Amino acid sequence: GAVVSQHPSRVICKSGTSVKIECRSLDFQATTMFWYRQFPKQSLMLMATSNEGSKATYEQGVEKDKFLINHASLTLSTLTVTSAHPEDSSFYICSARDSGTSEATQYFGPGTRLLVL
Amino acid sequence: AQSVTQLDSQVPVFEEAPVELRCNYSSSVSVYLFWYVQYPNQGLQLLLKYLSGSTLVKGINGFEAEFNKSQTSFHLRKPSVHISDTAEYFCAVSELDTGFQKLVFGTGTRLLVSP
Repeated sequence: GAVVSQHPSRVICKSGTSVKIECRSLDFQATTMFWYRQFPKQSLMLMATSNEGSKATYEQGVEKDKFLINHASLTLSTLTVTSAHPEDSSFYICSARDSGTSEATQYFGPGTRLLVL
Repeated sequence: AQSVTQLDSQVPVFEEAPVELRCNYSSSVSVYLFWYVQYPNQGLQLLLKYLSGSTLVKGINGFEAEFNKSQTSFHLRKPSVHISDTAEYFCAVSELDTGFQKLVFGTGTRLLVSP
């Protein structure tokens, strides 16, 4: 149980294009999902908290117009990197909390590697 | 604000030897503590967690950790490691102030198990 998927697993795009990454909770509902960014050989940095049916909460220094988050259902959150540039290349990981329990555990997706040329 | 320190960036160890990966945190309020493992090019897998109760927590793959409130530590241990344990290990903390919503991660420790 508690499986989170991400799609795509890997994407290469040209500079200036937009890329959408999907995060799905497969066997539970998640009113709250989280988006992280991980640079090579570094830790995870929280970018934003995605709330079902409302606006995402962004961490300081994260451009909300650059990283659009939509959480339209209890099992799906999407992150769109708009007008991507090479410096946006990174490993993006989402996580989700099971809203059916009071547990604070976050379950992580397998990650999406973005390369912007 | 909370912070998590993993002092060892890399821990080399021989197969079947015991290992301890250190984690210290700073917080003035109640915390939940987690250890995650990350294999190359993959997401994070939960190893174990401390929410409340017994301070000795057992997780998957033979790992265990002990919460020490006075030393603000949550060190991860395994009595006998396998080659397959080679991975990156992250300690993480969530805090009462954030409703235990947000996770703050340490910088990670790379465990290298050799024959």
